[in-house]
Amino acid sequence: DAMVIQNPRYQVTQFGKPVTLSCSQTLNHNVMYWYQQKSSQAPKLLFHYYDKDFNNEADTPDNFQSRRPNTSFCFLDIRSPGLGDAAMYLCATSRVITIAGAYEQYFGPGTRLTVT
Amino acid sequence: GENVEQHPSTLSVQEGDSAVIKCTYSDSASNYFPWYKQELGKGPQLIIDIRSNVGEKKDQRIAVTLNKTAKHFSLHITETQPEDSAVYFCAASSGNNNDMRFGAGTRLTVKP
Repeated sequence: DAMVIQNPRYQVTQFGKPVTLSCSQTLNHNVMYWYQQKSSQAPKLLFHYYDKDFNNEADTPDNFQSRRPNTSFCFLDIRSPGLGDAAMYLCATSRVITIAGAYEQYFGPGTRLTVT
Repeated sequence: GENVEQHPSTLSVQEGDSAVIKCTYSDSASNYFPWYKQELGKGPQLIIDIRSNVGEKKDQRIAVTLNKTAKHFSLHITETQPEDSAVYFCAASSGNNNDMRFGAGTRLTVKP
């Protein structure tokens, strides 16, 4: 059974046209992450939610926004996509183990975004 | 912040041989070290992880070793099979502020 679900799997948008990617989870994890992965590169963290608390990475462009209306869902909004934003976008979740200070992240299958 | 280096970037082995991928990290506070396998067109999948209170962990054909003093950890795959072909990422985290950082990845090819 799918645990982290991303829709759509493939998204094509036009230069400058806003686009929203979605992620849902059945794990009831309190942390959700969005990563950007370009070809042959490691995933790069954009931001994460710890419950309702939003945490932005310092180098994430303002063009990228996120919403988490409830525990299960998280959205990535790209307000004005540029050609350089074409990438695979990965959603991940984790249950923070506060005592051990360590945790596992579970990734979804990703959404491949093409900007024309 | 944490910096993770991974080597080699590509690795080709014959089916049945062993494969070793090595990573180093910079933050001595890191205490969690997962390894992910990413197949083409899919998200990374956790295959094994190790925490700083142990030096080695094994799960069937895969094992991970950790040397905290030297700040390096390695993935070992024995008796490789063609379906092991994928990109492998190491990562390191201190567990604080959700600060996991990934290595650049190793593309492993297992030739039949």
